[in-house]
Amino acid sequence: DIQMTQSPSLLSASVGDRVTLNCKASQNINKNLNWYQQKLGEAPKLLIYYTNNLQTGIPSRFSGSGSGTDYTLTISSLQPEDVATYFCFQYNSGPTFGAGTKLELK
Amino acid sequence: QVSLKESGPGILQPFQTLSLTCSFSGFSLGTSNMGVGWIRQTSGKGLEYLATIWWDDDKYFNPSLNSRLTVSKDTSNNQAFLKITSVDTADTGTYYCTRIIRGTGDYWGQGVMVTVSS
Repeated sequence: DIQMTQSPSLLSASVGDRVTLNCKASQNINKNLNWYQQKLGEAPKLLIYYTNNLQTGIPSRFSGSGSGTDYTLTISSLQPEDVATYFCFQYNSGPTFGAGTKLELK
Repeated sequence: QVSLKESGPGILQPFQTLSLTCSFSGFSLGTSNMGVGWIRQTSGKGLEYLATIWWDDDKYFNPSLNSRLTVSKDTSNNQAFLKITSVDTADTGTYYCTRIIRGTGDYWGQGVMVTVSS
């Protein structure tokens, strides 16, 4: 199994901050990585696919980057509606999710 | 537009078989390279990928649950199905189905809660 480690597990930030969430794979996943946002009581929503492709309808303040084993989700200017838990997901081999980063407002 | 909705028993007892249905619209499992995936979210393991069924009836199963899982589809009626045998309390959680395209689950159902309790 490929293990996905997300950091930090909890992040507090202020409106307007630039926020960076990290995801590290236990082996090379060839950029086969997505980011999902899950708000309380809702299903996960796809934000970014194949490392850096913005899903239709997702605000441009979200972006993704990375390669090999290390990947990043960046929110350029945090908005109140971005409070959620963010999960990375690899589908290179035997699909697995990270444990999530909970993003809250400071 | 694409939509999916899961349905299931809500509550069941240990050792029973869990049967879930994913009813969808806006795409067809008869289309090449299309799939439906099943994912659950539990307090114990977080988000866990369970299985995929593909347009050509190929299947993927999570190796840790392989022997307990069955997936199938009814292409004509736009439905996919998941069965998990011999459930226990660790199977309690929310179960989601998702459209799989280019390896990615892009649209998800709202989820269905399943409780295993004696």
